[in-house]
Amino acid sequence: QITLKESGPALVKPTQTLTLTCTFSGFSLSDIGVSVGWIRQPPGKALEWLALLYWDDDKRYSPFLKSRLTITKDTSENQVVLTLTSVDPVDTATYYCAHRLGLVRGVDFDYWGQGTLVTVSS
Amino acid sequence: QSVLTQPPSVSAAPGQKVTISCSGSSSNIANNDVSWFQQFPGTAPKLLIYDNTKRPSGIPDRFSGSKSGTSATLGISGLQTGDEADYYCATWDSSLRAGVFGGGTKLTVL
Repeated sequence: QITLKESGPALVKPTQTLTLTCTFSGFSLSDIGVSVGWIRQPPGKALEWLALLYWDDDKRYSPFLKSRLTITKDTSENQVVLTLTSVDPVDTATYYCAHRLGLVRGVDFDYWGQGTLVTVSS
Repeated sequence: QSVLTQPPSVSAAPGQKVTISCSGSSSNIANNDVSWFQQFPGTAPKLLIYDNTKRPSGIPDRFSGSKSGTSATLGISGLQTGDEADYYCATWDSSLRAGVFGGGTKLTVL
């Protein structure tokens, strides 16, 4: 049974760095074809793809946020960490992590965490 | 402004069929597989369709997907009030080297 859960601060001040952790179970990020991604959704707005970490440690980032995003893994702890630097109120959103299994590039995330709402405000 | 374009809203009566379009380009839909997600307020998205036409286990065959050129379509037949939700298309963009989502479509079952 695959589960994912996001954790992190609910409130972050502008210009600070946001660090979010995705803790998962039911799969290994070392298994071929497995990837974990981050997606966010501002209140009342659409989903936005942020980053993806592959089993082989390959990484992909949204070109619109690339300079501010970093995705890493802690295989032993079954965690994937996303950091977003220099946050601004427009970064206020629910942040989701999700699981994907596939060797071809894609966005077919089959398991999602419940999401964590992050508000950027002074 | 999303890379993939969806109508903001669609509506139909219970029992009817509705289609939701997703328009992209040669760098995304035309050359990569499309997925569709269903999202109810306050909950995480749920995978409805992957690889353009395939349904994950547990998704009823009332939901269908198709793709032609730079566009994809989600079809929902036998509409139920419980289908009222937001629907998103998504795919990989080979030029951006990243995933992209559509702007979402709100389905109302009248």
